[in-house]
Amino acid sequence: EAQVTQNPRYLITVTGKKLTVTCSQNMNHEYMSWYRQDPGLGLRQIYYSMNVEVTDKGDVPEGYKVSRKEKRNFPLILESPSPNQTSLYFCASSHTRGRLESQPQHFGDGTRLSIL
Amino acid sequence: QQQVKQSPQSLIVQKGGIPIINCAYENTAFDYFPWYQQFPGKGPALLIAIRPDVSEKKEGRFTISFNKSAKQFSLHIMDSQPGDSATYFCAASTGNQFYFGTGTSLTVIP
Repeated sequence: EAQVTQNPRYLITVTGKKLTVTCSQNMNHEYMSWYRQDPGLGLRQIYYSMNVEVTDKGDVPEGYKVSRKEKRNFPLILESPSPNQTSLYFCASSHTRGRLESQPQHFGDGTRLSIL
Repeated sequence: QQQVKQSPQSLIVQKGGIPIINCAYENTAFDYFPWYQQFPGKGPALLIAIRPDVSEKKEGRFTISFNKSAKQFSLHIMDSQPGDSATYFCAASTGNQFYFGTGTSLTVIP
């Protein structure tokens, strides 16, 4: 089954404790992206990657890091999490840049992070 | 600053009604305007999309109307059903980036 898998699905942690949210896709997609979803703000793009070793900042990259060492994986790293990073996070992937209806972005089911 | 402004925040209609969700943008570099549907506990999924050289697009019961001069676009859901109850997001894209609206929670009452 074609899917984008995020882990963990839920995490409660404390300020300053480094964490990684993993994202893996099995569709051989070139483009991958991370978003955060907050009430009243919709989804905001954090980082995206056009292909292996190619990453770039989205709209809200501060406090986050990413890497793309393999095509299928795109982990999101919070080196020193803070409470304002408490949010629902989505990973997405697509062929090209997700700008074709025939090749849309496929989203994972989300990771809910709570940082105390 | 919100690049794409979406309204209303929530909407309740009777089954068979035609909910309309509106979005507006300022950046004329946007050249791809998708709508996503999201159910609780799931990620968004593409519903329908339009490009600025087209004024209207229909797919089944879903229609996008696009007004390039006003920099506005809207989603109409014909003959709405309880199964359409979800959160809807408009978005705009340029190059490699996506900007989403704040979402509309739609409830269709049987």
